Amino acid sequence: QQQVRQSPQSLTVWEGETAILNCSYENSAFDYFPWYQQFPGEGPALLISILSVSDKKEDGRFTIFFNKREKKLSLHIADSQPGDSATYFCAASLIYNQGKLIFGQGTKLSIKP
Amino acid sequence: GGIITQTPKFLIGQEGQKLTLKCQQNFNHDTMYWYRQDSGKGLRLIYYSITENDLQKGDLSEGYDASREKKSSFSLTVTSAQKNEMAVFLCASSILGDYEQYFGPGTRLTVL
Repeated sequence: QQQVRQSPQSLTVWEGETAILNCSYENSAFDYFPWYQQFPGEGPALLISILSVSDKKEDGRFTIFFNKREKKLSLHIADSQPGDSATYFCAASLIYNQGKLIFGQGTKLSIKP
Repeated sequence: GGIITQTPKFLIGQEGQKLTLKCQQNFNHDTMYWYRQDSGKGLRLIYYSITENDLQKGDLSEGYDASREKKSSFSLTVTSAQKNEMAVFLCASSILGDYEQYFGPGTRLTVL
């Protein structure tokens, strides 16, 4: 049973475009949602995160949009750069149990120059 | 800043063999984690240790043992390696009660 699902599995956009990565979850009790970025040969690194009390979180070119009713969120990467090419993981957890992150299967993003 | 070191970087073992992966962190973090990453899949939690004398099972603990030797080190043992276990094993750490987890570069396990 996949509690956190991501789509698409892979995505290619042109440099300068906005990349949109989608995530959905099953457990309505989840209240913390981080996005991790992973480059080949490296471990994931936290990119941006949101709590369920918010519907939007921005950090530079990266924005999370969160829809609690539909149990969906998305990561928007504006003005995509070749250096953004990586695999992006959406994860979810309960605030009181933040050690147990449930990860999606990832979206591999490629930016064409 | 700090760093997480995982050894070895590549581990090749025989089916049925007992194998140990090691993780060291110098963040002075209380909490440490072991994840398994299969190709095309997300990360799945194997074991975690909230503080130095704690050990908790994750969703994928069967077939694994873990040991928190001291605050800075956390080991994972594959008790009997199986061919379907070929994956990258990632160690992570975090401040107690904090959300952000810092990951090491991983150990890639190959079972012959």
